[in-house]
Amino acid sequence: AQRVTQPEKLLSVFKGAPVELKCNYSYSGSPELFWYVQYSRQRLQLLLRHISRESIKGFTADLNKGETSFHLKKPFAQEEDSAMYYCALQTDSWGKLQFGAGTQVVVTP
Amino acid sequence: DGGITQSPKYLFRKEGQNVTLSCEQNLNHDAMYWYRQDPGQGLRLIYYSQIVNDFQKGDIAEGYSVSREKKESFPLTVTSAQKNPTAFYLCASSPRAKVGGLFFGEGSRLTVL
Repeated sequence: AQRVTQPEKLLSVFKGAPVELKCNYSYSGSPELFWYVQYSRQRLQLLLRHISRESIKGFTADLNKGETSFHLKKPFAQEEDSAMYYCALQTDSWGKLQFGAGTQVVVTP
Repeated sequence: DGGITQSPKYLFRKEGQNVTLSCEQNLNHDAMYWYRQDPGQGLRLIYYSQIVNDFQKGDIAEGYSVSREKKESFPLTVTSAQKNPTAFYLCASSPRAKVGGLFFGEGSRLTVL
C-alpha cells in the first residue's frame, strides 16, 4: 500500500537553528516525491521536487531509497519559514499525489 | 493571468442541503483534482479527472459528486449524504507529466450549520 508519513505534527525552532522535517514513504514503484508549503492565508504551493535536486529558499531534500525517506532540511531557519509543510508522493503518470498529514513549523525569534 | 480559481471562498450550508463548489482553470491542464484538508489529516483525495467526461473516485468519495463537461471546469457537489462536510476544500490541476506537481486553487471553506 502507498503511504506517506510525517511523524511530527508541530516543529518549533529558534531563528538561525537548523530545521529538519521528516517524511517516510511506502510505495512499490519508483517514487516521485515532493514537498509543498502553505504559508498563512496563501495557497498551497510546490516547494521542491526530488527529481530536480534543487534548493529552494535554502531548503533541500534528499531521496533515500534504502530508508524510504525524503526529509526536508534547512541549515538556518528564518521567521518567514513558519508555515505548514506537506510531503507528497506521486502515484500515477498524470500527477495524482498522496499527501502526508503535514508538519506545522513555527520559527521564533 | 493564468491559474486556478475556486469559488466561493466561504460558504455556509444548513444540514440537508446540497452545495456546489466551483473550480476553473485556464492553464490548459488535462487533469483536475479535489482534495479535502482537515487539521491533522493532511489532504485527502475526493475525486479526480484526467480527461473531459471522465472522472474517478478518490479515497473519500462518499457523499460527493463531480462532473467534467469542459476541460477548464471541475465542480464539486457536497451532498446531504456527506456526514461531516465542514472542511476546507482544495482544487488542483496538473498537465500530464511523468514528474509533475499540482497547481492549487486558494480553497473553499464550507461550514455546515
